[in-house]
Amino acid sequence: EIVLTQSPGTLSLSPGERATLSCRASQSVSSSHFAWYQQRPGQAPRLLIYGAFRRATGIPDRFSGSGSGTDFTLTISRLEPEDFAVYYCQDYGSSVYTFGQGTKLEIK
Amino acid sequence: QITLKESGPTLVRPTQTLTLTCTFSGFTLSTSAVAVGWIRQPPGKALEWLALVYWDDIKRYSPSLQSRLSITKDTSKSQVVLTLANVNPADTATYFCAHRPDYYDGAWGFWGLGTLVTVSS
Repeated sequence: EIVLTQSPGTLSLSPGERATLSCRASQSVSSSHFAWYQQRPGQAPRLLIYGAFRRATGIPDRFSGSGSGTDFTLTISRLEPEDFAVYYCQDYGSSVYTFGQGTKLEIK
Repeated sequence: QITLKESGPTLVRPTQTLTLTCTFSGFTLSTSAVAVGWIRQPPGKALEWLALVYWDDIKRYSPSLQSRLSITKDTSKSQVVLTLANVNPADTATYFCAHRPDYYDGAWGFWGLGTLVTVSS
């Protein structure tokens, strides 16, 4: 069973700064089935990135995804106040979904 | 507009069976390649995928919970039902249903608001 490990656990940055969130898989996964979600407090998760680098409908272009194999990255180019939230990576392989444990992006 | 809404009990006793219903609109579960699934989140913890059902009635379950889970669909009612047997306090969580359209490469593109279920005697 694949394990997704996200780092860091918490990231403290200021609005306007660049955020880089990482997700490492315990074994190589298919990029076409790799996604990132944002979850604000008290809300349901929202799909940001699918297929490792494709933005979902309505997602601002300051969000970008990259990576392949075992290492994936979510980058937020210039943080807006509404971007401070928890971010989860997700893999879908062999008919099983796996989520990472999350990275909390907090205001410094 | 795609919407999903979870419904079910807010409190369940240990050893009982939890039954949750997802009622959706804006899509049909008879369209090729689409699916509806369930994901849960214990308070303050990460997301955990539970189960999904495809348009063709193929079902998939979390390996760690599959002996206790069952998922069914009623296309005519636009509903998906999840049952979790023999619940215990560790099953306390917010339960989300989600829709996997055919254009997001398996990602969960649409989510319900979630429903909090507490397991306690």
